Amino acid sequence: GAVVSQHPSWVICKSGTSVKIECRSLDFQATTMFWYRQFPKQSLMLMATSNEGSKATYEQGVEKDKFLINHASLTLSTLTVTSAHPEDSSFYICSAPGLAGAYNEQFFGPGTRLTVL
Amino acid sequence: QKEVEQNSGPLSVPEGAIASLNCTYSDRGSQSFFWYRQYSGKSPELIMFIYSNGDKEDGRFTAQLNKASQYVSLLIRDSQPSDSATYLCAVNIGWGFNKFYFGSGTKLNVKP
Repeated sequence: GAVVSQHPSWVICKSGTSVKIECRSLDFQATTMFWYRQFPKQSLMLMATSNEGSKATYEQGVEKDKFLINHASLTLSTLTVTSAHPEDSSFYICSAPGLAGAYNEQFFGPGTRLTVL
Repeated sequence: QKEVEQNSGPLSVPEGAIASLNCTYSDRGSQSFFWYRQYSGKSPELIMFIYSNGDKEDGRFTAQLNKASQYVSLLIRDSQPSDSATYLCAVNIGWGFNKFYFGSGTKLNVKP
């Protein structure tokens, strides 16, 4: 299957700083990528859809000014958590779809563990 | 978020038994359905998908879909301790590169 990587795999930062997380599709092109957040013992919550060459679309309740998404190329999407606070500590996972169609598979990155002190 | 409901568990079964995991969804426009397995601290890995009513078998796994009842299930035969994980049901609404909505997951414990 297709491979999606994320960097960094974990990050610890001070409250008020910004953190950038990269998501790359390694062996395929992805015009669309998705960003999820997962709190402990909870499911993946879709945050936003990253669209190559255009603005991201955010799910209801997700602050677009706090979670900046840039999809600058067909293989890279970045999520920047601006002015991070302890409540932003979570597991952030990106995914990219495979083949087109109703049953297309999502390929997940390995996730990034963010801890805000 | 579209509603996808799962029993959080934990579901405990003895080794060799059949584990049955269930999922219901609220959007009748849902087109395809996925089961993912997630180990603690890791990202989800696909087990199988289904998009037609009925059963679909893949090795020890069988997915069952009933669109009229808005219900999808996963059966794991001959459960192994290595199957112990959280199982996530995901629903893809619409056609093409559409978004996945996940249930909260069911934690499965397979006891040796």
